[in-house]
Amino acid sequence: GQQLNQSPQSMFIQEGEDVSMNCTSSSIFNTWLWYKQDPGEGPVLLIALYKAGELTSNGRLTAQFGITRKDSFLNISASIPSDVGIYFCAGGPYLSGGGADGLTFGKGTHLIIQP
Amino acid sequence: EAGVTQFPSHSVIEKGQTVTLRCDPISGHDNLYWYRRVMGKEIKFLLHFVKESKQDESGMPNNRFLAERTGGTYSTLKVQPAELEDSGVYFCASSQNTGELFFGEGSRLTVL
Repeated sequence: GQQLNQSPQSMFIQEGEDVSMNCTSSSIFNTWLWYKQDPGEGPVLLIALYKAGELTSNGRLTAQFGITRKDSFLNISASIPSDVGIYFCAGGPYLSGGGADGLTFGKGTHLIIQP
Repeated sequence: EAGVTQFPSHSVIEKGQTVTLRCDPISGHDNLYWYRRVMGKEIKFLLHFVKESKQDESGMPNNRFLAERTGGTYSTLKVQPAELEDSGVYFCASSQNTGELFFGEGSRLTVL
């Protein structure tokens, strides 16, 4: 089956620092999604990317859909304590109007912010 | 509007016992999914319902797992008999036909 390599596995940063994480795959995906999971909660969608080369921002978050369709990155600028959690990338087929079949998730990046 | 709700939030059982997890999707969402995350691993797809029909159950590990969605509303996932490797967090998610998944808080299963 398809696999996503998400890195880094964990990050220990100081508040205010910028964060960068990425996912790569040997397979092409038509959709890239980034989720965040807070402790004791389910994953929540942060950013959805539907077009190769697309760069999308959501507040301090920026994500890009790689031009080769095989990778995506997520950047968080000026991290704050509530950014702590596990971030998951997910790649999928063409989703518009078709539900969310076949999402493949990465193993997650655990973000820890040191005081 | 209520989100996706799952019950129980945590279940601890012994190997060989049976556990049934329940998911109530967001009202009006025809698509319901079950995923599982084993500690430190990726979130893995188990199966997908469209209303009461199983659209895709290719991710179900083996025949010890049985999912149902009678009437196309809530769904149950039964593990019988449970094995040690079944431990993990079982997530339910629902969506309309827009692609965005709304996840529940997950049911943590610990098999001793």
